[in-house]
Amino acid sequence: QKEVEQDPGPLSVPEGAIVSLNCTYSNSAFQYFMWYRQYSRKGPELLMYTYSSGNKEDGRFTAQVDKSSKYISLFIRDSQPSDSATYLCAMSAGNQFYFGTGTSLTVIP
Amino acid sequence: SQTIHQWPATLVQPVGSPLSLECTVEGTSNPNLYWYRQAAGRGLQLLFYSVGIGQISSEVPQNLSASRPQDRQFILSSKKLLLSDSGFYLCAWSVRGLEQYFGPGTRLTVT
Repeated sequence: QKEVEQDPGPLSVPEGAIVSLNCTYSNSAFQYFMWYRQYSRKGPELLMYTYSSGNKEDGRFTAQVDKSSKYISLFIRDSQPSDSATYLCAMSAGNQFYFGTGTSLTVIP
Repeated sequence: SQTIHQWPATLVQPVGSPLSLECTVEGTSNPNLYWYRQAAGRGLQLLFYSVGIGQISSEVPQNLSASRPQDRQFILSSKKLLLSDSGFYLCAWSVRGLEQYFGPGTRLTVT
């Protein structure tokens, strides 16, 4: 079993839709949770990070962590074509980071 | 603010040739540094990480090596490249295992 599981998609939505991206994990030692956005042929860009259960909001983005269920989510409201990218979830324990394989998202104008 | 640099951005090398990729970080001290490889359509594979000068941990046995000659410099090397070394190489930094930041990456094609 992988440490972090993420549905690879691809996911295609119309502009303005609410997007839900999810990851599950198996290691209860994970303490820090992150979401990255990666455009084609670019390095991943850190979107949001949190260390506690609950919600964290930043503009159109909301990160949600449920440690009891070992489940994290990223919600994108009012999705835009510029949101088309691959989204990676990540978690850390100590000095090491564990990544999902990424979900490819396309927002259609 | 912190900045991470990687070069070169793109590299085409023949099989059997040597490799040297460099990564430098600005605006922070004593960062943890990481090298990852990302193959097409696949996730990030951790290659090496370092918590200090001269301290390197290797995660995957391979023909690559890493060095950290200065606090904010991380180098990925190979004496002889294989076809399977092709991929997108990413350097990243973090402070004490908190959020991690990536560089722009180097796209390596071994021919």
